[in-house]
Amino acid sequence: AQSVAQPEDQVNVAEGNPLTVKCTYSVSGNPYLFWYVQYPNRGLQFLLKYITGDNLVKGSYGFEAEFNKSQTSFHLKKPSALVSDSALYFCAPYPGKLIFGQGTELSVKP
Amino acid sequence: DTEVTQTPKHLVMGMTNKKSLKCEQHMGHRAMYWYKQKAKKPPELMFVYSYEKLSINESVPSRFSPECPNSSLLNLHLHALQPEDSALYLCASSQEGTSGETQYFGPGTRLLVL
Repeated sequence: AQSVAQPEDQVNVAEGNPLTVKCTYSVSGNPYLFWYVQYPNRGLQFLLKYITGDNLVKGSYGFEAEFNKSQTSFHLKKPSALVSDSALYFCAPYPGKLIFGQGTELSVKP
Repeated sequence: DTEVTQTPKHLVMGMTNKKSLKCEQHMGHRAMYWYKQKAKKPPELMFVYSYEKLSINESVPSRFSPECPNSSLLNLHLHALQPEDSALYLCASSQEGTSGETQYFGPGTRLLVL
């Protein structure tokens, strides 16, 4: 069965510190991998995706994600968090359709 | 322009009402999607249209009826809904509906069924 796990419901970070939002997946083949962000009462915004090639993918708003095939992980990172990064983050592999993880609530405090 | 628009933003309806949700994109995309999202939960795929033809129906109850009048528009007709259908309904579009394409989401319609 195809699945994706975001092991942390919530991540708390101080502004200016680095942040990591974790994602592991279990899908067949070589899936495409996406990260989306959802601000309160808004739709989803595309952050970045991995298709093939360089394991470090750079995306919008200074975010990047590291693809690790052996660990089947695709963790989202940012070197310096902003309060405005506080939102709900979804990891989504694409084995034929987007399968969203349960989401991780990121809270960045000043 | 990566904008997908949805109307209305909010909708309250009774269980005997008929209403419609609308979605529009002008990016020239040929694939459009409906998702349902409960609070603090991930979106769940409902329907996919590709080149104005329904290509995926994720076993959605018949009280939800999608329609794609043209490549820019996507409707979701609602009839005899249940309170548990209250949710945020998200529309998305992508270039052709093939693997690896980025889906662009609208802001959603928040539906409350009384």
